[in-house]
Amino acid sequence: GESVGLHLPTLSVQEGDNSIINCAYSNSASDYFIWYKQESGKGPQFIIDIRSNMDKRQGQRVTVLLNKTVKHLSLQIAATQPGDSAVYFCAENTLNTGNQFYFGTGTSLTVIP
Amino acid sequence: NAGVMQNPRHLVRRRGQEARLRCSPMKGHSHVYWYRQLPEEGLKFMVYLQKENIIDESGMPKERFSAEFPKEGPSILRIQQVVRGDSAAYFCASSPVKDTQYFGPGTRLTVL
Repeated sequence: GESVGLHLPTLSVQEGDNSIINCAYSNSASDYFIWYKQESGKGPQFIIDIRSNMDKRQGQRVTVLLNKTVKHLSLQIAATQPGDSAVYFCAENTLNTGNQFYFGTGTSLTVIP
Repeated sequence: NAGVMQNPRHLVRRRGQEARLRCSPMKGHSHVYWYRQLPEEGLKFMVYLQKENIIDESGMPKERFSAEFPKEGPSILRIQQVVRGDSAAYFCASSPVKDTQYFGPGTRLTVL
């Protein structure tokens, strides 16, 4: 099956710094990617998505970068705040073939005040 | 517009009992997905349903697990004769089309 994994299981950053969370995927046919944020005891919350015809997409304080050549995805959070502390998952999907999203293990982000 | 609703939020069952988990998708969403999450792990796809139809159940265990999404009412994930290994958080997601999935708060199942 497909493999979606994260390089770093934990990440600690100072409040106000930028955070970068990385994700590798193995299915070259993947064409849709989502970053989710999951706080303790809650369901995953959609943050931002990107399709394979793009290499960058920006939201409010977040940017997702996609490098299809090396099958790598990253989430950048600007001016990280304590409320950003959570586990972040990347998920990938192949829109034309199925509805499964394959999730990585997750990276736990801790923001130090 | 209310989000995806799941109930109960916490469910405790003894081995051998049945667990029924309910999911009400967001208004206007006809696609429902169930995922299972073990502690410290990502979400694992179980099943994808549209109204009255199972579209993809490739992630469902072959025995004891079943899912439905009737014409009226919530989607149900049913686990018969639960075992301790079934203890996990079960998340439901919905989408209006085959696209971004929005998740509910989950049901945390504990099997004693």
